[in-house]
Amino acid sequence: AQSVTQPDIHITVSEGASLELRCNYSYGATPYLFWYVQSPGQGLQLLLKYFSGDTLVQGIKGFEAEFKRSQSSFNLRKPSVHWSDAAEYFCALGAGSYQLTFGKGTKLSVIP
Amino acid sequence: NAGVMQNPRHLVRRRGQEARLRCSPMKGHSHVYWYRQLPEEGLKFMVYLQKENIIDESGMPKERFSAEFPKEGPSILRIQQVVRGDSAAYFCASGGGSTDTQYFGPGTRLTVL
Repeated sequence: AQSVTQPDIHITVSEGASLELRCNYSYGATPYLFWYVQSPGQGLQLLLKYFSGDTLVQGIKGFEAEFKRSQSSFNLRKPSVHWSDAAEYFCALGAGSYQLTFGKGTKLSVIP
Repeated sequence: NAGVMQNPRHLVRRRGQEARLRCSPMKGHSHVYWYRQLPEEGLKFMVYLQKENIIDESGMPKERFSAEFPKEGPSILRIQQVVRGDSAAYFCASGGGSTDTQYFGPGTRLTVL
């Protein structure tokens, strides 16, 4: 069975600092991978997705993620965090199927 | 630019009542997925529907929960005789195909008193 692990429950960074959110997955083949962001009381917004091809994926709001098959990882990065980035971030796996498997999320706090 | 619509956004029910959650997919999408988010948890798949068909309901609790996506109108997730453990955020997503990207609605937050 597939799974997604987000090792960090809560991360705090200063505004302007760089950010990396970790995501590890378990799946026997090449997965579809997604990052979603959820602001308090809101739905999930798609930041970026990886299906195949270039392992460095660019998304909205200046985010990018890198698929590393050897490490079973799909970490999300941003070079300079803005206060409006404070939210909860979810990594999700689509294992060749419509059922998305989500990690438990990483809550990001941004210090002004 | 209508995205996925869900209503109500917040729903309060007493134990034993019925909860009915609605989801209208994005224009052009005929695939609907329901997920549940419990506190401090990620989203868990519940059911996948196409128009007039339930494709996969493997994530649905065996009792009290049902879903439909009629030919006309929104998809409905129905919870009968709600219990406190049903309190959660219920999200609907839609897509254009079974492996297409899923776009999520704002969710319905159900509170059972």
